[in-house]
Amino acid sequence: AQRVTQPEKLLSVFKGAPVELKCNYSYSGSPELFWYVQYSRQRLQLLLRHISRESIKGFTADLNKGETSFHLKKPFAQEEDSAMYYCALMNSGYALNFGKGTSLLVTP
Amino acid sequence: DVKVTQSSRYLVKRTGEKVFLECVQDMDHENMFWYRQDPGLGLRLIYFSYDVKMKEKGDIPEGYSVSREKKERFSLILESASTNQTSMYLCASNYQGNEQFFGPGTRLTVL
Repeated sequence: AQRVTQPEKLLSVFKGAPVELKCNYSYSGSPELFWYVQYSRQRLQLLLRHISRESIKGFTADLNKGETSFHLKKPFAQEEDSAMYYCALMNSGYALNFGKGTSLLVTP
Repeated sequence: DVKVTQSSRYLVKRTGEKVFLECVQDMDHENMFWYRQDPGLGLRLIYFSYDVKMKEKGDIPEGYSVSREKKERFSLILESASTNQTSMYLCASNYQGNEQFFGPGTRLTVL
């Protein structure tokens, strides 16, 4: 069965500190992984996907098949990064299987 | 600009009522999805559709049905609303395995 685990419900960091949001998955095939973000009062939107290997808003995520992880990282957190972050795995039917989400709070 | 719209932002219904949530996308996407979002539970897939008149059950279809009569429109139906269906409902669409685009959500309260 496919599953996405985000172990932290809430992560609080100071502005300028590094941040890492953890995501682990279980999937028998080749995973297609995404990070979505929801800022306050805004709709859910794509942050990045692993196949694009892009850096969006300073965030990066590397797929580690050995550890079955897709952690989201940013070297210097900004206050505007405060949001809800969801890791998601796309199944063969193009639907997304989401983790429970991590609320990131960046304090000045 | 990509657009997924949902018919209501807020909805209050009574237990036992039949509830319709509408979603429209203007991107000519084949795939459309309904999720519910609950604090601490993340997003869970209710139903999805590959094409007009096609539907597939997601992880939590009980108590829900869907309708897709036109490509751009995907409706979620609560046949007899119950208090445990109080939630935020999100619609999304995509083309094949590409990015899913989400609507603003409908916050449904069942009294």
